[in-house]
Amino acid sequence: KQEVTQIPAALSVPEGENLVLNCSFTDSAIYNLQWFRQDPGKGLTSLLLIQSSQREQTSGRLNASLDKSSGRSTLYIAASQPGDSATYLCAVRPGGATNKLIFGTGTLLAVQP
Amino acid sequence: NAGVTQTPKFRVLKTGQSMTLLCAQDMNHEYMYWYRQDPGMGLRLIHYSVGEGTTAKGEVPDGYNVSRLKKQNFLLGLESAAPSQTSVYFCASSYATSRNTEVFFGQGTRLTVV
Repeated sequence: KQEVTQIPAALSVPEGENLVLNCSFTDSAIYNLQWFRQDPGKGLTSLLLIQSSQREQTSGRLNASLDKSSGRSTLYIAASQPGDSATYLCAVRPGGATNKLIFGTGTLLAVQP
Repeated sequence: NAGVTQTPKFRVLKTGQSMTLLCAQDMNHEYMYWYRQDPGMGLRLIHYSVGEGTTAKGEVPDGYNVSRLKKQNFLLGLESAAPSQTSVYFCASSYATSRNTEVFFGQGTRLTVV
């Protein structure tokens, strides 16, 4: 059974710092991996989608990497800002015929001004 | 640019009451999903649909029913609400094509069952 883990559960950094959020999954047979951002009381906003054949994706100050063989993904945030404060969730789409995402429980990020 | 829209946004039910949550998407997506989010449990899939007229069970389907009569709509029903169904419910949708399965979420429905 695919399990997705995100460590740490919470992270507090000063503004301007570069940071890395981690996501690990137990079954390397994935179709893709997606990173989301969730603000308090809000829905999920898609940040980056990495296909299983890709190693990384970039969008602005965000860079997500994928190492399928080791079951790991990282989300790198450069020059963090207070507006980056949110919960970050990763989710994997299992390989095969399933059409669903398996989510981690998220990392709560606080960027201090 | 509506994307995925859920109604209602908030609801309080008494135990045993029924209700239907409506999800509508305007992106012509084939796949639609219903998730629930609970503290410490993450998001869990309730039911999903791979096309109009189809539905399938997810990880936690008990106590819920769904229907997909139109491609753009996916309804989640609670026939007899229980306090254990107090949660935040999210609808999501995506394309079916292998090149783009990015999933988009609605803003959520906060349901309290008393």
